[in-house]
Amino acid sequence: AQTVTQSQPEMSVQEAETVTLSCTYDTSENNYYLFWYKQPPSRQMILVIRQEAYKQQNATENRFSVNFQKAAKSFSLKISDSQLGDTAMYFCAFMPTYNQGGKLIFGQGTELSVKP
Amino acid sequence: GAGVSQSPSNKVTEKGKDVELRCDPISGHTALYWYRQSLGQGLEFLIYFQGNSAPDKSGLPSDRFSAERTGGSVSTLTIQRTQQEDSAVYLCASSHQLGQYYEQYFGPGTRLTVT
Repeated sequence: AQTVTQSQPEMSVQEAETVTLSCTYDTSENNYYLFWYKQPPSRQMILVIRQEAYKQQNATENRFSVNFQKAAKSFSLKISDSQLGDTAMYFCAFMPTYNQGGKLIFGQGTELSVKP
Repeated sequence: GAGVSQSPSNKVTEKGKDVELRCDPISGHTALYWYRQSLGQGLEFLIYFQGNSAPDKSGLPSDRFSAERTGGSVSTLTIQRTQQEDSAVYLCASSHQLGQYYEQYFGPGTRLTVT
């Protein structure tokens, strides 16, 4: 079975600092996608960043970047220059290959608080 | 443009009653997904629809849960004879097509409370 593990239930960071959220996953597949989603108190899940497993280069989106270690099955999210609006629950997610459709498998989430 | 909408936003029901949750996907999106977010189970996949293909119901937790998608657009998730463990936030998402190439856009969810 494919699983996603986020070992940090809660984290906090000072505004303008950098924070890294951890994620590991387990799969026997070679091709897949990985995602980080943000869920603010409004409950609306928002895609932050995604990584294709076949790409060695780590994805970046402005202040957000990932460290993708395929052999270690690790996919961490780094948030630089943290802002108060980054306060949210962050979910790491795995999507199996096309034959299994587009269902996302989520980790348990990390609640991030950005403090002024 | 309009995003994914869900109704109601909140629903309180008595144990044993049936409930219907509605999802309006983004216009033109052919794939639609339902997920459940609960304290005990985290975020879990329930079902997805893709065009006119048979839905993937592999995540539905019991036969009390069913879903339909009419006309390839609006979807309704029905829970019969609700139980307290059904209390959760039910999230709907849609994407342009099925698969990992297409971003899933989520709605704000329906918070279901079974008393």
